[in-house]
Amino acid sequence: GAGVSQSPSNKVTEKGKDVELRCDPISGHTALYWYRQSLGQGLEFLIYFQGNSAPDKSGLPSDRFSAERTGGSVSTLTIQRTQQEDSAVYLCASSFKGAWNEQFFGPGTRLTVL
Amino acid sequence: DAKTTQPNSMESNEEEPVHLPCNHSTISGTDYIHWYRQLPSQGPEYVIHGLTSNVNNRMASLAIAEDRKSSTLILHRATLRDAAVYYCILRDGRGGSEKLVFGKGTKLTVNP
Repeated sequence: GAGVSQSPSNKVTEKGKDVELRCDPISGHTALYWYRQSLGQGLEFLIYFQGNSAPDKSGLPSDRFSAERTGGSVSTLTIQRTQQEDSAVYLCASSFKGAWNEQFFGPGTRLTVL
Repeated sequence: DAKTTQPNSMESNEEEPVHLPCNHSTISGTDYIHWYRQLPSQGPEYVIHGLTSNVNNRMASLAIAEDRKSSTLILHRATLRDAAVYYCILRDGRGGSEKLVFGKGTKLTVNP
């Protein structure tokens, strides 16, 4: 079946602009996660959704970052007033609920802020 | 979150077994041991997980020490496609956020 898809695959923007990144999880997966991976850095957690609510937003780096999920499916990560340090690969993952369940990752969106 | 310690890098030859170690001395009784790997230019992919007993699947085997303070991911016959960064991660089985906390992992190089 279809895996996790993300769009766009690449996004180049100018400093100060807003960007929206989209994630389509695997159908039926109730949990959705956003991570990011900066050059030379490891993968860091941003936010976790269970259904449409986000019980853990602890990884969002600033109030410029927000995310929503609608219909228990598609999620959008929005970065306002982008900065150069926001440049990274943004990865989305989905899973069935449960810490023992594997997370399936999408291919990521590479964001470059000029 | 309980921490894991892995070597920064390891090297192997094609078609030989690879043993990737992970130390997790502060593991709690409810922590599951998960392994993910990230191939170049791809998102991470699940490899295997376990709680107390050794586990086998089509990709690998997971050997868990009796005291659970360490574990070893075993690739029985390494291929060039197995070259990746391997992450050992502890996840609390009681739930909560269920996020994955990635460390730096072990970069595995497979020589032809």
